[in-house]
Amino acid sequence: ETGVTQTPRHLVMGMTNKKSLKCEQHLGHNAMYWYKQSAKKPLELMFVYNFKEQTENNSVPSRFSPECPNSSHLFLHLHTLQPEDSALYLCASSQDGVLDTQYFGPGTRLTVL
Amino acid sequence: KNEVEQSPQNLTAQEGEFITINCSYSVGISALHWLQQHPGGGIVSLFMLSSGKKKHGRLIATINIQEKHSSLHITASHPRDSAVYICAALMDSNYQLIWGAGTKLIIKP
Repeated sequence: ETGVTQTPRHLVMGMTNKKSLKCEQHLGHNAMYWYKQSAKKPLELMFVYNFKEQTENNSVPSRFSPECPNSSHLFLHLHTLQPEDSALYLCASSQDGVLDTQYFGPGTRLTVL
Repeated sequence: KNEVEQSPQNLTAQEGEFITINCSYSVGISALHWLQQHPGGGIVSLFMLSSGKKKHGRLIATINIQEKHSSLHITASHPRDSAVYICAALMDSNYQLIWGAGTKLIIKP
């Protein structure tokens, strides 16, 4: 197992569903990130966790709920999403924080119907 | 005006050509990050540099702190280099990462 993995790779959900995205890093890093990439827009940082503590929440709606049970795993729980939440959700990790190079997972392509 | 500007937005070239992608920023930074995003979304970190020049294979990244400018060069380009190349500036005031919009590169055989 290498690098940063994300599951599922593709997800289609209705607006009333509850689903979770999973990210796992095998690099021994201490910081993990959730990003959102919408069509033709730059990456948007959603959440930052450093040593399992959330250090940043960039005004993300409460229908997105992160969870970091340990420094290797990061979840993004989704509920009552909107169609405009359809995007590519990318997880990344770095050794100790944003000063370090971030390594990205392959992303989860989310479609909200 | 965005704090991180990339140019060009789109670039199509023939295999073998020397490629240059530019990134300009308007804020004080600690470092600049170049990444490659493949069709389908996967992102790979290429370089993180705060001064001078770095080289990895056919890729070269340079940064001029005084001019607030960085370039990514690809020598002997190949169709597999086709991707979106993104620069991200790490601000030295609050360590936020400010992302450029990306440059879509297509290399034709």
